Amino acid sequence: DTAVSQTPKYLVTQMGNDKSIKCEQNLGHDTMYWYKQDSKKFLKIMFSYNNKELIINETVPNRFSPKSPDKAHLNLHINSLELGDSAVYFCASSQDLGDLSVTYNEQFFGPGTRLTVL
Amino acid sequence: GQNIDQPTEMTATEGAIVQINCTYQTSGFNGLFWYQQHAGEAPTFLSYNVLDGLEEKGRFSSFLSRSKGYSYLLLKELQMKDSASYLCASMDSNYQLIWGAGTKLIIKP
Repeated sequence: DTAVSQTPKYLVTQMGNDKSIKCEQNLGHDTMYWYKQDSKKFLKIMFSYNNKELIINETVPNRFSPKSPDKAHLNLHINSLELGDSAVYFCASSQDLGDLSVTYNEQFFGPGTRLTVL
Repeated sequence: GQNIDQPTEMTATEGAIVQINCTYQTSGFNGLFWYQQHAGEAPTFLSYNVLDGLEEKGRFSSFLSRSKGYSYLLLKELQMKDSASYLCASMDSNYQLIWGAGTKLIIKP
């Protein structure tokens, strides 16, 4: 009955490879997010997505691409991995962006995926 | 630009009270969130303030002053399990959360 799940939990790969991280939420939320948390612990938004709009943080390289097969899933695909991509990636979801019927849009986080690029 | 400032680390004693401050500057404002993150785990929601004043929830309280761009998280009757990072985040006009780097709270017996 996990609310937001991610796979894999750990991912170790070589520079230049392409990899994907999967995320699923069973909360019925309309909006999903990908965050990167680096060694300094800053949580940086990479993408937010609902069935209407994809918002991309302009600082995210285009090697990163979100793919959403349906409302409950938002996968992260990374091409040509670089050493600097090593970090923990968190998926999260919330009811909706700007939904006025919701008092606040609490975000629920997945357990994280620790990516190490060698 | 958008900026969230909070202390990097704080130390407190079990049973005591600690206040973690946060100042924010964001493009628009749709509320201030506090999250708790234990080492190696995901952030979990603690509190949300959008109006000025104090919101109390058990041992934890959160305060907001919109005119000062300031919030604090107050933790009472500290327990060892409260050792964690506490993340302040402001929701901007696009409903995006802008996060601080977190305050690592160390509780000593």
